[in-house]
Amino acid sequence: EVRLVESGGGLVQPGGSLRLSCAASGFTFSDYFMHWVRQVPGKGLVWVARLSNNGRSSAYAASVKGRFTISRDTAKNTLYLQMNSLRVDDSAVYFCTRDRRWEPNSSDYWGRGTLVTVSS
Amino acid sequence: QSVLTQPPAESGTPGQSVTISCSGSSFNIGSHAVNWYQQLSGTAPRLLIYANDQRPSGVPDRFSASKSGTSASLAISGLQSEDEADYYCAVWDDSLIGVVFGGGTKLTVL
Repeated sequence: EVRLVESGGGLVQPGGSLRLSCAASGFTFSDYFMHWVRQVPGKGLVWVARLSNNGRSSAYAASVKGRFTISRDTAKNTLYLQMNSLRVDDSAVYFCTRDRRWEPNSSDYWGRGTLVTVSS
Repeated sequence: QSVLTQPPAESGTPGQSVTISCSGSSFNIGSHAVNWYQQLSGTAPRLLIYANDQRPSGVPDRFSASKSGTSASLAISGLQSEDEADYYCAVWDDSLIGVVFGGGTKLTVL
């Protein structure tokens, strides 16, 4: 069974840093592109970042480029999102997603999300 | 304001058919496959349609989708109460070099 479990969310002050983790299981992690998507409660989905299966190619939303870094540890089957210089408008639920194999940018599995709150 | 335009809300009665539109541009829908997601209240989104018109296993055939030019649409036939949810279109955008989501459509089953 495919499982994605996010962790690392919490309350952080503006300008602070946080690292989110996504523990993956039930599939060959190194075969799949992975994404982070965020959602302010009650609002729409917003794509954040994507990482290739081998970790060599990444893409970011303009709003987070230069502040966030997506990475993966294949040995630990874990996806990360390092978030620096956090702003109030980064507050959201962050979902980890897996791309459907051979169908780029179609997320067929989603975690339950982890809540990030940026506030003083 | 999202790059992909969806109606904020649609509604229908049980048994009816509903269509949700998603309008984009040559940078996104016009060049790449469209995916659709369903998000029930309080849950994570679920992939409903991939590659413009393909249903993952487990998705009822009441759900169908199509794409033409720079627009796409999701059709739900035989509407059921459990279809009440938010629906999002999504696609890669060559200009933004990233995935873009539509603003979402809240479907109400009356």
